[in-house]
Amino acid sequence: QLQLQESGPGLVKPSETLSLTCTVSGGSIRTSGFYWGWIRQPPGKGLEWIGNIYYSGDTYYNPSLKSRVAISVDTSKKQFSLKLSSVTAADTAVYYCARRGPFYYFDFWGQGTLVTVSS
Amino acid sequence: QPVLTQPPSASASLGASVTLTCTLSSGYSEYKVNWYQQRPGKGPRFVMRVGTGGIVGSKGDGIPDRFSVLGSGLNRYLTIKNIQEEDESDYHCGTDYGSGSNFVLFGGGTKLTVL
Repeated sequence: QLQLQESGPGLVKPSETLSLTCTVSGGSIRTSGFYWGWIRQPPGKGLEWIGNIYYSGDTYYNPSLKSRVAISVDTSKKQFSLKLSSVTAADTAVYYCARRGPFYYFDFWGQGTLVTVSS
Repeated sequence: QPVLTQPPSASASLGASVTLTCTLSSGYSEYKVNWYQQRPGKGPRFVMRVGTGGIVGSKGDGIPDRFSVLGSGLNRYLTIKNIQEEDESDYHCGTDYGSGSNFVLFGGGTKLTVL
C-alpha cells in the first residue's frame, strides 16, 4: 500500500522559508501519469492547493502562491519537497502531500503536518 | 479559472439522507468535480468524481454504497443515504482546470453534522 509521510519543522519565523519533505513508500515515485502534490489547510478553513510536480521535474503552481513556491523531486530518495518563502502568519496551516492520479483526483494523502509561523 | 461554492454547513438525522452541493461558477458547466471526505482530525480521502453524466470512474476505496453523486448544470451533488455517525465529516469538492488540467482548486468545504 502506498504511503506518504510529511516531515519538516513545525515552527517557522515570519519572513523565513518554510521547507517540507514528503517521503513515498510502498510504491514508485516514477510511475507514468501520476503527479505529486502539496495541499494546505489553515486551522478551521478549507483546502488550498499549492502545487504539483511530475517525476521528470515539471511543476505546476497555484497562481496566488507562485511567486513564493518551489517544489522539487528527488527520485533516488523517493522524495519531493516544498519550499515557501517569505512566510507570514497566514501561512500557518496543516500541510499535506498527496498523489494525483491520471483521473485527476488525489488518491493517496499523507497524514499532514502542522506548520506554525510565529516569532 | 472556475470557482467552487459550497454551503459551510449541513445537518441530518441518523438514518436519514442528505445531499451536499458544490456549485461551479458560470461558464464552467462541463467541468468535473471530485468529492473528498475529511473526518475530524484526519486527512482527506477521495470519495468520487462527478460530471453532468454522473459518476466518472470508480468510488474511492472503502466508500460505502450509501454514497452517490449526480451532476446537473453548474451543480455537483453528493448524496448520503442512511446516514451513520461515521459520516460526520467535512466534505470538500475540488476541480482541475487550465492547460492539461494541471491546476487544481477546492471549494470552501461543508461541515456535515449528524444529529
